[in-house]
Amino acid sequence: QKEVEQNSGPLSVPEGAIASLNCTYSDRGSQSFFWYRQYSGKSPELIMFIYSNGDKEDGRFTAQLNKASQYVSLLIRDSQPSDSATYLCAVSAGGTSYGKLTFGQGTILTVHP
Amino acid sequence: SAVISQKPSRDICQRGTSLTIQCQVDSQVTMMFWYRQQPGQSLTLIATANQGSEATYESGFVIDKFPISRPNLTFSTLTVSNMSPEDSSIYLCSVEWADRGLYEQYFGPGTRLTVT
Repeated sequence: QKEVEQNSGPLSVPEGAIASLNCTYSDRGSQSFFWYRQYSGKSPELIMFIYSNGDKEDGRFTAQLNKASQYVSLLIRDSQPSDSATYLCAVSAGGTSYGKLTFGQGTILTVHP
Repeated sequence: SAVISQKPSRDICQRGTSLTIQCQVDSQVTMMFWYRQQPGQSLTLIATANQGSEATYESGFVIDKFPISRPNLTFSTLTVSNMSPEDSSIYLCSVEWADRGLYEQYFGPGTRLTVT
């Protein structure tokens, strides 16, 4: 069974700090990796995706992928109270499973002023 | 990315009844999916809505309980049949969007279903 595990939360960081969110996956054939942000009562919002080993930066967000270790992370620099949300890691196997996402359980992030 | 709408946004239904949820996209998309998010839980894929053919269901989900239609490349429906309180969840449709050879998946606003 394909599994996606996220670091247990909740995670609390002060405003301006770096928030680090981690995710591991069990299916070594996984090809696509996504981070979604979900505010309470809202649907998930795609904030980052990564396909290749290494780092991908977009504004204050950096996604890091290490396929050998089956590990993907999301760094949020200069965290703001508006970043407080649940962050969901999602993995797609590709091939015939392309597009089907397996989600982790989510990590609740709180950024306090 | 595509703009996705869902109807209804929320509903309260009696057990034993059925509810059909609509998902509309403003652009033609190849892949559409239906997910469920139970209270306090993460998202679970119900099925892939295939245009012109029967939906592909994930383990634990069956067509009799969750019939799906996909009449064209911009629209899909999910019916939750013979509902019980355990079906109380948020139901989300998603679409896969290709951008310069990379595939991203976006979610609709969701339908919050409460079964009493």
